[in-house]
Amino acid sequence: DAGVIQSPRHEVTEMGQEVTLRCKPISGHDYLFWYRQTMMRGLELLIYFNNNVPIDDSGMPEDRFSAKMPNASFSTLKIQPSEPRDSAVYFCASSQQGRGSDTQYFGPGTRLTVL
Amino acid sequence: DAKTTQPPSMDCAEGRAANLPCNHSTISGNEYVYWYRQIHSQGPQYIIHGLKNNETNEMASLIITEDRKSSTLILPHATLRDTAVYYCIVRVGGNNDMRFGAGTRLTVKP
Repeated sequence: DAGVIQSPRHEVTEMGQEVTLRCKPISGHDYLFWYRQTMMRGLELLIYFNNNVPIDDSGMPEDRFSAKMPNASFSTLKIQPSEPRDSAVYFCASSQQGRGSDTQYFGPGTRLTVL
Repeated sequence: DAKTTQPPSMDCAEGRAANLPCNHSTISGNEYVYWYRQIHSQGPQYIIHGLKNNETNEMASLIITEDRKSSTLILPHATLRDTAVYYCIVRVGGNNDMRFGAGTRLTVKP
């Protein structure tokens, strides 16, 4: 398996612009997670989905952030409008539960820089 | 989830065993101990997890004390590529709110 795929790997944008991050989970996994990592706050869970349905979005910082999962093989995290404090590395992870293991597998991340 | 305490950094000589401690004194009976690591500029990587018994896989061994208040991750023969931040996490199995702390930065030296 190719693992969790994220795109783009790097994104540089200007304040106020819309940013869309993409994730393809491991095939067959029914959970998908979005995390954000900064030096100040470490690794934080933003939102997660089960079978394409958002389950917990309590970690989403504010209304500027939204996430969707239109099908089992694709998810997006959108920031509109972006701000410099959104600069971070965003990770997507997936897992398959119900088979004795709920290990989360992480993608390589998207490094976002908002100028 | 219970909080964990890890030393901020450790060094290890290449080829020697790396023993990374973790304290989780408030762990509940149904909480597992998970270990992940993050190599620079990469996503976190699962290493191993356990509930009560010691566990071993191709990457590492996990030793959990009898009272479950602490554990040790052992990398039997550390290599330079094992240099990373190692996270100890306690969570209920199936609980998707996995909280990463600051971890231990392990540096393997030649």
